[in-house]
Amino acid sequence: EVQLLESGGGLVQPGGSLRLSCAASGFTFSSYAMSWVRQAPGKGLEWVSAFSGSGGGTYYADSVKGRFTVSRDDSKNTLYLQMNSLRAEDTAVYYCAKETSSGIYYPEFDYWGQGTLVSVSS
Amino acid sequence: NFMLTQPHSVSESPGKTVTISCTRSSGSIDSNYVQWYQQRPGSSPTTVIYEDKQRPSGVPDRFSGSIDSSSNSASLTISGLKTEDEADYYCQSYDSRNQGVFGGGTKLTVL
Repeated sequence: EVQLLESGGGLVQPGGSLRLSCAASGFTFSSYAMSWVRQAPGKGLEWVSAFSGSGGGTYYADSVKGRFTVSRDDSKNTLYLQMNSLRAEDTAVYYCAKETSSGIYYPEFDYWGQGTLVSVSS
Repeated sequence: NFMLTQPHSVSESPGKTVTISCTRSSGSIDSNYVQWYQQRPGSSPTTVIYEDKQRPSGVPDRFSGSIDSSSNSASLTISGLKTEDEADYYCQSYDSRNQGVFGGGTKLTVL
C-alpha cells in the first residue's frame, strides 16, 4: 500500500525558513518523480515543485523559484522541501504527491499525502 | 503559460449524470495529458482520472474522462451520482517546462 506522510509544518515569521519532509512507503521510491502541491486556506491547488526519479532534475513554480529547494534521499525514501524567505502568501497546506509512472517526469499524480500546514505570520 | 478554466460549481440529483468541463486557454488540450482529482471536505485530494481517461484501480467506472479538441477542453463525467460524490473536483495538466497547472476547481453538490 502506497503511503505518503508529510511533516515539518508549523508557524513561522515572514522571512523565516522551514523544511518539510515526506516519508514514502509501499513503492520503489527511487524510480518515481515526486511533487509538492500546496493549497492556501479556502483556495485551490497549486503545483509548487518536483524532483524527478532516478537521479533526474528539479522543477519549480515561478512563485517559489529561488526561495524553495526540493531534494530527496532515496536511501531514506524521503522527499524534502526547504523553504526560505517565507511570505504570508506561502501559507498553505503542503501535500506531497507521487507521479503515476516511473521514467520520464510528467506532473501526473496518483497518490497524495495527508498534508502539513505551513502558516507564515508575525 | 496557459490556464485551465472550470465552472465554479455544479449541482445535480442523485442517480443523474453530471459533466464538469475544463477549458485550456492557449495551446492544444491534447498537448499534454489531463488529470482529475477529487477532494472531499477536510481531506486530501485523490485521483479519479489520469492521462485523459484512465481510471486508477478502485475508482468506479461511473467516473470517466474525455478530451474534445474542437472546444479545447477536457471533461469529467460522473454517472449514477451518489451523495458521496459531493466534493471539489480539480483538473490538472502541465506546460512545456513540465510545470503543473491546475484548474480553479469545481464544487459538486449532489442534492
